[in-house]
Amino acid sequence: GENVEQHPSTLSVQEGDSAVIKCTYSDSASNYFPWYKQELGKRPQLIIDIRSNVGEKKDQRIAVTLNKTAKHFSLHITETQPEDSAVYFCAALRFKAAGNKLTFGGGTRVLVKP
Amino acid sequence: DVKVTQSSRYLVKRTGEKVFLECVQDMDHENMFWYRQDPGLGLRLIYFSYDVKMKEKGDIPEGYSVSREKKERFSLILESASTNQTSMYLCASNKGGRETQYFGPGTRLLVL
Repeated sequence: GENVEQHPSTLSVQEGDSAVIKCTYSDSASNYFPWYKQELGKRPQLIIDIRSNVGEKKDQRIAVTLNKTAKHFSLHITETQPEDSAVYFCAALRFKAAGNKLTFGGGTRVLVKP
Repeated sequence: DVKVTQSSRYLVKRTGEKVFLECVQDMDHENMFWYRQDPGLGLRLIYFSYDVKMKEKGDIPEGYSVSREKKERFSLILESASTNQTSMYLCASNKGGRETQYFGPGTRLLVL
């Protein structure tokens, strides 16, 4: 089955700096890669996703890049703010007709220091 | 607005007890999922269901079972709770495939 590894497990950045989280996946047929953000005491929520037919996607201060050859994808947060402090999870999915399930990475705890 | 609710936020049970965790979604989603969340291990899939009465094992199904008798409700059952099942349990649902998964608030289970 799919295996997703996520690094680093914790990341501390100064407010205004950039943060980068990297994930690698094992199944070369995986074709959908979402990122979820979980603030302290709250439920995970989707913040951005990318499909395998594109290499990069941006949404304001966040972007995701995908390298299918190397089987890795990354989340980039620019101009970090205190509200970016959270746990971030990457995930991978191999889309099929039925029974689709995400495989999540272990999570990255991001702390933005004011 | 999608709403996924879970029957309890906190639960304390004794070893050997049968435990029921319930999840309800109000958006007519086909798929429902049960995860457990442990520090450093991310979200691990226990079971999921893509239709009423249909279920599939996830990555860590041992010690758990599920039931989906109605489309909006997905139950996770611990037949005989053990201390290593102490964890945060999260339910999620989506329309299917690559659609966003919407999570419930979670149930923090402590097994003594």
